[in-house]
Amino acid sequence: QVQLVQSGSELRKPGASVKISCKASGYTFTTYAISWMRQAPGQGLEWMGWINTDTGNPTFAQGFTGRFVFSLDTSVNTAYLQISGLEAEDTAVYYCAREECTTTSCFPHYWGQGTLVTVSS
Amino acid sequence: QSALTQPASVSGSPGQSITISCTGSSSDVGRYKSVSWYQQHPGKAPKLIIYDVSDRPSGVSNRFSGSKSGNTASLTISGLQAEDEADYYCRSYTRTTTSFGTGTKVAVL
Repeated sequence: QVQLVQSGSELRKPGASVKISCKASGYTFTTYAISWMRQAPGQGLEWMGWINTDTGNPTFAQGFTGRFVFSLDTSVNTAYLQISGLEAEDTAVYYCAREECTTTSCFPHYWGQGTLVTVSS
Repeated sequence: QSALTQPASVSGSPGQSITISCTGSSSDVGRYKSVSWYQQHPGKAPKLIIYDVSDRPSGVSNRFSGSKSGNTASLTISGLQAEDEADYYCRSYTRTTTSFGTGTKVAVL
């Protein structure tokens, strides 16, 4: 069965960096893009962007450029999200998801369990 | 990429039907058949319940249905059950912009 398993919670100080992993199983990793979403405490979902797992080409949503990096290690079927220059406002749960596309649209179908990143001095 | 507009909360009694709206613009919701809906219980990851406006993934109850009129998409939950109490989000996809809705908390009275 399709599974996306994310790395555990992280606590960082302001200005530090963090790298979250998302390990996929149950399907051919390079067939589907991986999307990343952010959900601040008590807030809604934000789409951060996605990475084409076949080409490695990333696409970032507005507001998620500069400090955010999407990367892959296809040898271990894993996608990564790295955030540098962490700010208190980056405190959130980060989700990865397998993005599926029909002839009409694309949508995140299978989701990871989420990774809580806490930024605090 | 502005968030799509959803009502903050909707409530209903067990067995009733409720509808959640998701309003965008002619550039996103109104442009394509590309709206999906997600259910999120507290502390859990979101779950896909509707894609392509009105299609249900395998295993999702047929009490969930989706539709669209103009720039507004809608999710209807029929025969409301206690387990339906959760947050619901819409998402619109186009090749140039992708946005989630603001989210709606559904309460089962």
